[in-house]
Amino acid sequence: AQKITQTQPGMFVQEKEAVTLDCTYDTSDPSYGLFWYKQPSSGEMIFLIYQGSYDQQNATEGRYSLNFQKARKSANLVISASQLGDSAMYFCAMRSYSGAGSYQLTFGKGTKLSVIP
Amino acid sequence: GAVVSQHPSRVICKSGTSVKIECRSLDFQATTMFWYRQFPKQSLMLMATSNEGSKATYEQGVEKDKFLINHASLTLSTLTVTSAHPEDSSFYICSAPGGGVNEQFFGPGTRLTVL
Repeated sequence: AQKITQTQPGMFVQEKEAVTLDCTYDTSDPSYGLFWYKQPSSGEMIFLIYQGSYDQQNATEGRYSLNFQKARKSANLVISASQLGDSAMYFCAMRSYSGAGSYQLTFGKGTKLSVIP
Repeated sequence: GAVVSQHPSRVICKSGTSVKIECRSLDFQATTMFWYRQFPKQSLMLMATSNEGSKATYEQGVEKDKFLINHASLTLSTLTVTSAHPEDSSFYICSAPGGGVNEQFFGPGTRLTVL
């Protein structure tokens, strides 16, 4: 079974500083994908970044980068130059095969990030 | 990018009534859609996988007779909470996979409050 662990219930970061949100995972599948989503208070799930298990380089998307350490089974999200609008819940998720050619996501418990002015 | 809509965005109902939530893929076809439930300050928990043309697959502990799922077409899946009770109050979110391995599109969610 797939498992995602986010050990930081809450994090604080000073505006304009960088912050790392931790995520470790467990799976027996040789091929998998890891996602990070941002969920503001409105509830919508905003896709941030994706890392495939066979990707050679760490994924980057603007101010977001994923520190992927396959041997340690970790996929930490790094947000550079934090902004007040980054305050939200952040979820790490793993894609797993659900049958009939489709995939489902398993989510971690989330980390609430608060950016301090 | 692809868009998934949900309707209604918010619903308040009396205990014992049934509530239907619609999930639509607006510009792509989805043979599979996923229904999640999120309680306050908790994570998203997968309830069931909706499959077009066949029965939904429910996760362990989810009552299929209480949470009826119908995948009527390649762009529409509905979740009906039957005989709703206050403990069913939650945030319900649907998602649909796109064609790429990194594509999973979420609806904006439906906040259900059962009085």
